[in-house]
Amino acid sequence: NAGVTQTPKFQVLKTGQSMTLQCAQDMNHEYMSWYRQDPGMGLRLIHYSVGAGITDQGEVPNGYNVSRSTTEDFPLRLLSAAPSQTSVYFCASHRGKDSPLHFGNGTRLTVT
Amino acid sequence: QQQVKQSPQSLIVQKGGISIINCAYENTAFDYFPWYQQFPGKGPALLIAIRPDVSEKKEGRFTISFNKSAKQFSLHIMDSQPGDSATYFCAAPSGSRLTFGEGTQLTVNP
Repeated sequence: NAGVTQTPKFQVLKTGQSMTLQCAQDMNHEYMSWYRQDPGMGLRLIHYSVGAGITDQGEVPNGYNVSRSTTEDFPLRLLSAAPSQTSVYFCASHRGKDSPLHFGNGTRLTVT
Repeated sequence: QQQVKQSPQSLIVQKGGISIINCAYENTAFDYFPWYQQFPGKGPALLIAIRPDVSEKKEGRFTISFNKSAKQFSLHIMDSQPGDSATYFCAAPSGSRLTFGEGTQLTVNP
């Protein structure tokens, strides 16, 4: 059972480039989220989804887009990368509001 | 927007000691307060969670204490071990979302 799979593990981008961070889960969870982790700032919610076709913004959505066409996949798109988006990105899924989040192992992104 | 304040930012404890991490939240309309543990290079994983209808929950060496009137909850790690060295996050739900504290980096010296 793979759980939550994130790709790539590492990525270096130049300012202005775009890319998509992939996230897939095989637990049939309705809820999926994207967080970024920065030193001293904890985990901040970027976007989340409560089911296929439904997405909403979190605390820090600017510069990021998401879509949820299937239950399994929840990609995060960086439209025009900026150095401020240098961070570690985590995708998570869970069954419902009060159920545990299952995290992937993260994507470490550096924007130069 | 739910605010969750966690302290301390870092903590160093000797093996066998007690580690205590605190969290304070603002909104009272919650029914689930989890703690997550994160090892380097890995995503966070649920460690223990409590619902506000109880004041304490214990699982092995880990205990959550909940003070509803003070809007605080804390994690106690008894008999701390070097393998407990990790980053710990408290969290509070806000609708369909989960808001995390800033994290506490725990180091347990042998």
